[in-house]
Amino acid sequence: SQQGEEDPQALSIQEGENATMNCSYKTSINNLQWYRQNSGRGLVHLILIRSNEREKHSGRLRVTLDTSKKSSSLLITASRAADTASYFCATAPPISGYSTLTFGKGTMLLVSP
Amino acid sequence: EAQVTQNPRYLITVTGKKLTVTCSQNMNHEYMSWYRQDPGLGLRQIYYSMNVEVTDKGDVPEGYKVSRKEKRNFPLILESPSPNQTSLYFCASSLRREGEKLFFGSGTQLSVL
Repeated sequence: SQQGEEDPQALSIQEGENATMNCSYKTSINNLQWYRQNSGRGLVHLILIRSNEREKHSGRLRVTLDTSKKSSSLLITASRAADTASYFCATAPPISGYSTLTFGKGTMLLVSP
Repeated sequence: EAQVTQNPRYLITVTGKKLTVTCSQNMNHEYMSWYRQDPGLGLRQIYYSMNVEVTDKGDVPEGYKVSRKEKRNFPLILESPSPNQTSLYFCASSLRREGEKLFFGSGTQLSVL
C-alpha cells in the first residue's frame, strides 16, 4: 500500500539552484527515509530521520520532518548536474512486530548545466 | 565491498517458462526483500524475509515465490511468468529488520513476451 506521496512529480532547475521536494504520508511512522535512483538503477539510501527528530543534515542535503502535518521535505542545496535522478521517500510504521518500508512514487529531478 | 548482487541484469523470456532471479548479499543482513517498479506505480513490495526460513508476503505476491535457505541468498521465482510481470525488479537487504535503511541491488529488467 502506498504511504508516502512526493511532490512535485517532476522538477527542473539550473545548476547552483536549490531543489526542494516534499513528501506527505497518512499514518504514524517510526522513521522516514529518502532514497535516490539514477535512471533504472538501484536505489541509494540518502538519509533517515526518526519521528522524534525535526531536522537532519548530510552534506548538501537537509531533511525536515513535521509529524503534526505528516510531511517531510528534502532540500538539496547548490545542485549539480550529477544530482539528476529520481528521489523517493519511504516510511517505516511504528515498530510492533514486523513492519514494512513503504515507498512513494518519487520526484524526478533534472538539473541542467 | 558491501553489496547486494542480483542476476541477471536483463532477462527476456516467454509466457509460462519458469525463471529464477538470484539475489545475494555479503553484509550478513537478516532482512531481505523483493520489489517491483512500474511506471506510475512506484516501488511495490513482493515478498520479504526476516531471517532464514522466515518469509512473508508483501503487497503484490501473486505469481511469485521466494525461499530463504541461507542467510545471504533470497531468490525470486516466477513459476509461470505472464506479460503483466514485465517489470524492473529490485532486491534489497538491511541489517536486522524492516525500518532500517535498505541496500539495493542494481535491478533486473524482466520482459515476458
